[in-house]
Amino acid sequence: DTEVTQTPKHLVMGMTNKKSLKCEQHMGHRAMYWYKQKAKKPPELMFVYSYEKLSINESVPSRFSPECPNSSLLNLHLHALQPEDSALYLCASSQETNTEAFFGQGTRLTVV
Amino acid sequence: GEDVEQSLFLSVREGDSSVINCTYTDSSSTYLYWYKQEPGAGLQLLTYIFSNMDMKQDQRLTVLLNKKDKHLSLRIADTQTGDSAIYFCAEIRYSSASKIIFGSGTRLSIRP
Repeated sequence: DTEVTQTPKHLVMGMTNKKSLKCEQHMGHRAMYWYKQKAKKPPELMFVYSYEKLSINESVPSRFSPECPNSSLLNLHLHALQPEDSALYLCASSQETNTEAFFGQGTRLTVV
Repeated sequence: GEDVEQSLFLSVREGDSSVINCTYTDSSSTYLYWYKQEPGAGLQLLTYIFSNMDMKQDQRLTVLLNKKDKHLSLRIADTQTGDSAIYFCAEIRYSSASKIIFGSGTRLSIRP
């Protein structure tokens, strides 16, 4: 099983809303990631969690707040987003931070 | 430079071989990866190569690695219409922590 599950698949939110993206894996991986991907661009790293601790924050604005409640779950809390934050948000996991990563299908976020 | 570089587009005839090239940046990367992304979908890990290897073959896929030039290539034999997608190479970059960084992506289109 190499599945990373992301919910919801699509999300439309207003600029004053608070919402959360969820990601789950049951492969026993100890590293989990959030990436942001704009149209026709490569994924850009946002956050890395290793052993449930935040190890990398790529200078992401505070309106994005990650959370790792346990080794299988990763959330991304969204608050006061801007239209330019509309993108595909991808979650990934890997055994360790220096091994291959497996990606979910993404959440397509539209901020209106 | 800081970017992992790829040509943006490649068009091949169905049944021919496709060769997608990548120039990476971090000579200490232990693994290099190829991912495939179909429209509206997440990233699928296609194959990877360990840095002490020159070549890896996996069915229709052949990966070549030239560490001296930091050059990676992916050859797809007998290209089919289902191979139409964007292909990303990726390296593990080491700084305060390791992270996976993607190339710009090559859009492969198949001509009948």
